[in-house]
Amino acid sequence: QKEVEQNSGPLSVPEGAIASLNCTYSDRGSQSFFWYRQYSGKSPELIMFIYSNGDKEDGRFTAQLNKASQYVSLLIRDSQPSDSATYLCAVNGPNSGYALNFGKGTSLLVTP
Amino acid sequence: GAGVSQSPRYKVAKRGQDVALRCDPISGHVSLFWYQQALGQGPEFLTYFQNEAQLDKSGLPSDRFFAERPEGSVSTLKIQRTQQEDSAVYLCASSPGHAGELFFGEGSRLTVL
Repeated sequence: QKEVEQNSGPLSVPEGAIASLNCTYSDRGSQSFFWYRQYSGKSPELIMFIYSNGDKEDGRFTAQLNKASQYVSLLIRDSQPSDSATYLCAVNGPNSGYALNFGKGTSLLVTP
Repeated sequence: GAGVSQSPRYKVAKRGQDVALRCDPISGHVSLFWYQQALGQGPEFLTYFQNEAQLDKSGLPSDRFFAERPEGSVSTLKIQRTQQEDSAVYLCASSPGHAGELFFGEGSRLTVL
């Protein structure tokens, strides 16, 4: 079992809708959770991080963390075609040392 | 510079050749990471430097892979006797401190024929 699991998609949503991206992780000791966005042919860029249970909002983005369920999600409100990209979930904790463990990513397509 | 700079952006090597990939991190960032990203996969950790010290090399897939950062700034990832399975994008990232808040370069795409 990979340490960080994501549905590879593609997830297709219409413009203006809410996109919901999900991620589960296996290491219960994980402490830090990150969402990176990667456009095709480009490198990943950090869009959100969350350390505590609950929700964290930043503009149109909301990260949600549930450590008991080992589940982290990213909501994108008012989705735009420019949000079309692969979203990578990444996790770090004492057992992973300095490494950030990435999932395979979920491909999001926002259709006009 | 404004961001993390990597060179070359593209490298084609014949199997068995040695390659060297360079990374120039954001000025002042003490942490530098190398990741490998295969097509359709997420980045996989290779190694980590704090200044000039290589604190973690647990992700290097074999002893053919070697990384250095002798003066705590520019880093080089060297792959000896390249194999086809080494074909991937090699991403360098720097960070002001935290392991997860990474600033990635554009990557070096290695193709081994």
